Amino acid sequence: GAGVSQSPSNKVTEKGKDVELRCDPISGHTALYWYRQSLGQGLEFLIYFQGNSAPDKSGLPSDRFSAERTGGSVSTLTIQRTQQEDSAVYLCASSLDRGVKYFGPGTRLTVT
Amino acid sequence: GEDVEQSLFLSVREGDSSVINCTYTDSSSTYLYWYKQEPGAGLQLLTYIFSNMDMKQDQRLTVLLNKKDKHLSLRIADTQTGDSAIYFCAETGETSYDKVIFGPGTSLSVIP
Repeated sequence: GAGVSQSPSNKVTEKGKDVELRCDPISGHTALYWYRQSLGQGLEFLIYFQGNSAPDKSGLPSDRFSAERTGGSVSTLTIQRTQQEDSAVYLCASSLDRGVKYFGPGTRLTVT
Repeated sequence: GEDVEQSLFLSVREGDSSVINCTYTDSSSTYLYWYKQEPGAGLQLLTYIFSNMDMKQDQRLTVLLNKKDKHLSLRIADTQTGDSAIYFCAETGETSYDKVIFGPGTSLSVIP
């Protein structure tokens, strides 16, 4: 079956603009995660959704970052007033409850 | 908090075996993963092992887990140039089941 998909694959935006990144998890997976991978850095946890529970937002770096998950499936990560330090690859993953995490191909965000 | 450590670089000759090592601190780890990331690509789940297993073999890949020492290794037999990539060790534990804790990644270079 289809894996985790993300769109767009690449996004170039001007500093100060808002961006939306989309994640389509594997069908039936109840858990969805957003991570960020900055150049030369490891993977940084951002946010986690599990079913209908309140999301764990503990990794969001600032209030410019927000995410929602509609209907327990697709998720959108929104970055408002983008800054150059937001440039990174944003990775989405999904899993069935506490199971194995499968990652999407990522969205490469470049803020100019 | 939980931590995962890996050596950052490994260089091997084509045809030799590669062994990538990882140590972790979370004694309640349930899943331990190896992800592969090729240049410009997302994270590919290579293999994973449950914490109640000592070894898992999948074609050229052998995963060894020493739970007592909290040590995980990935052996790639007959390493090929296409194996050149960054390999991330990661774990999910009872205390962090909602997050995957990643190591910094080991960059594997295969010399023809």
